[in-house]
Amino acid sequence: AQTVTQSQPEMSVQEAETVTLSCTYDTSESDYYLFWYKQPPSRQMILVIRQEAYKQQNATENRFSVNFQKAAKSFSLKISDSQLGDAAMYFCAYRTGSGNTGKLIFGQGTTLQVKP
Amino acid sequence: EPEVTQTPSHQVTQMGQEVILRCVPISNHLYFYWYRQILGQKVEFLVSFYNNEISEKSEIFDDQFSVERPDGSNFTLKIRSTKLEDSAMYFCASMGSQGYNEQFFGPGTRLTVL
Repeated sequence: AQTVTQSQPEMSVQEAETVTLSCTYDTSESDYYLFWYKQPPSRQMILVIRQEAYKQQNATENRFSVNFQKAAKSFSLKISDSQLGDAAMYFCAYRTGSGNTGKLIFGQGTTLQVKP
Repeated sequence: EPEVTQTPSHQVTQMGQEVILRCVPISNHLYFYWYRQILGQKVEFLVSFYNNEISEKSEIFDDQFSVERPDGSNFTLKIRSTKLEDSAMYFCASMGSQGYNEQFFGPGTRLTVL
């Protein structure tokens, strides 16, 4: 069974600085997708960024980028120029590329605090 | 922009009572999901629904749980006899197709079982 691990329960960053959130996963599959979701205090789940396993190029969305290391099964999220609105819980998630369920498997989450 | 909606936003019920949580997925989506998040914990998969049937369910999704898509637009989660440990945030999500596509989440229903 696939598992996702986020080893940092809490992180903090100074406004305008850069922070990296870690995520590792375990799978025997070769075809899968990885996601980072943001959950602000409202508890709405918001997609931040996604990565296809077969793509070597790391995904980037504005201030958000990932470091995808497939052999190491690592998928970290880098937030550049941190803003107060980035403060939230961040979840790493895995989805298989096969079958017809598409369920997401989430990590435990990392709470990010942004200091002004 | 289309969105997933959920009602109610907060449901309070007595232990042993039945509850129905409602979701309206994005209209042209084909895959539907329920997840739950106990306060302070990770989001856990409950069930996926495709082509009018359950495609996968987790160990949490026991006989007390059921899902239905009664009219082609709503997607409901029923808990037959609630327990204290069912208190959680329940998220509905929908997805257009497999692959690279995003699951869109609703705002959640907070269920409190007393």
